[in-house]
Amino acid sequence: DAGVTQSPTHLIKTRGQQVTLRCSPKSGHDTVSWYQQALGQGPQFIFQYYEEEERQRGNFPDRFSGHQFPNYSSELNVNALLLGDSALYLCASSKDRGQDTQYFGPGTRLTVL
Amino acid sequence: AQTVTQSQPEMSVQEAETVTLSCTYDTSESDYYLFWYKQPPSRQMILVIRQEAYKQQNATENRFSVNFQKAAKSFSLKISDSQLGDAAMYFCAYRRGRNAGGTSYGKLTFGQGTILTVHP
Repeated sequence: DAGVTQSPTHLIKTRGQQVTLRCSPKSGHDTVSWYQQALGQGPQFIFQYYEEEERQRGNFPDRFSGHQFPNYSSELNVNALLLGDSALYLCASSKDRGQDTQYFGPGTRLTVL
Repeated sequence: AQTVTQSQPEMSVQEAETVTLSCTYDTSESDYYLFWYKQPPSRQMILVIRQEAYKQQNATENRFSVNFQKAAKSFSLKISDSQLGDAAMYFCAYRRGRNAGGTSYGKLTFGQGTILTVHP
């Protein structure tokens, strides 16, 4: 049983560019949550997708957007990248809108130069 | 808003010894869940243990156990018989329960983390 997968593993972008990160949830899970983890810090909640809609959102600007597909996989898009967007981006999948235990993927390390 | 505080940035323990990691949280809700996650250098966040607020019994998973003090809003993790593989960053996390009302019951709120070093 494959766990949560994320791609790519690492990414380097320059300021002002746009980036798309991808996540495939664990089999049987229908909810995907995205978190941003700055170096040496705890993860911060970005948003959660369920039934192809954004259900909850953390304190992140509109430059951060997402999508969930019918197969429950998800994308995180960040526009107009800033240096401060450099972080590890974690995807977590779960059942029942996050009420069940959330399982994390290995993350995508984004570096903005 | 809920907050989670881990006051120990770093802890160390000798192999085979016991160590306790501290966590406090602030909430006005009665329906919630608490978690300890482990993040080794490989970056994969792994669930260690989970505690439902309505359960008075402390959760236990093999060598890992918690001391859940609901009135004091304290949730510490005890690791017994520490192993080299336990070395990692440990995060305490909070999640509202569905019965707390509203719709924001799926997000996890994390503490700042505690780096655990295990000495052979």
